[in-house]
Amino acid sequence: AQKVTQAQTEISVVEKEDVTLDCVYETRDTTYYLFWYKQPPSGELVFLIRRNSFDEQNEISGRYSWNFQKSTSSFNFTITASQVVDSAVYFCALSGGATNKLIFGTGTLLAVQP
Amino acid sequence: DTAVSQTPKYLVTQMGNDKSIKCEQNLGHDTMYWYKQDSKKFLKIMFSYNNKELIINETVPNRFSPKSPDKAHLNLHINSLELGDSAVYFCASSPWADRGTQYFGPGTRLTVL
Repeated sequence: AQKVTQAQTEISVVEKEDVTLDCVYETRDTTYYLFWYKQPPSGELVFLIRRNSFDEQNEISGRYSWNFQKSTSSFNFTITASQVVDSAVYFCALSGGATNKLIFGTGTLLAVQP
Repeated sequence: DTAVSQTPKYLVTQMGNDKSIKCEQNLGHDTMYWYKQDSKKFLKIMFSYNNKELIINETVPNRFSPKSPDKAHLNLHINSLELGDSAVYFCASSPWADRGTQYFGPGTRLTVL
């Protein structure tokens, strides 16, 4: 069965701190995709990144970076120099198998204080 | 130029009523989805359609019935609404060939009184 675990329910940091959001996944599929979505207080779901299971290269996009490690089944997300606008719920998600349905983690609420 | 749109954005209704939520996408995708996000922010897929054909039907009460008149639209009809149906419902779409990457609508907040 597929499962995504985000053990951190809430994280609070002060602006300009770096913060890492953890994501651990379980799957028996050899081909799968991992995602991060952002849900700001306004409620919409914003796609941030997709990684496929054959690409373990880390990725950096501005202040965001992602670390994918198959050995530990983890796909962690780091925000460098956090800003108040980063305050949101962040979801890690997994898809794979015949239907490729998205399985979401329970989300991590990040609060960035000024 | 909204990619995935949902109407209405808010829906407040009484228990026992029947209501519908509409979803339209203009991305040219052939696969559409409905998700439910509960009060604890937990997101779970309900249904998925590909080219008007139902391909995912999770364990959802049969009071919920999706309808896809064409591949750009996926509506959700709910009969005999219950208090526990209160949630945010998200529509999403993707190409079949890349159905892991889904684009979400803004959500419909349903409140059942």
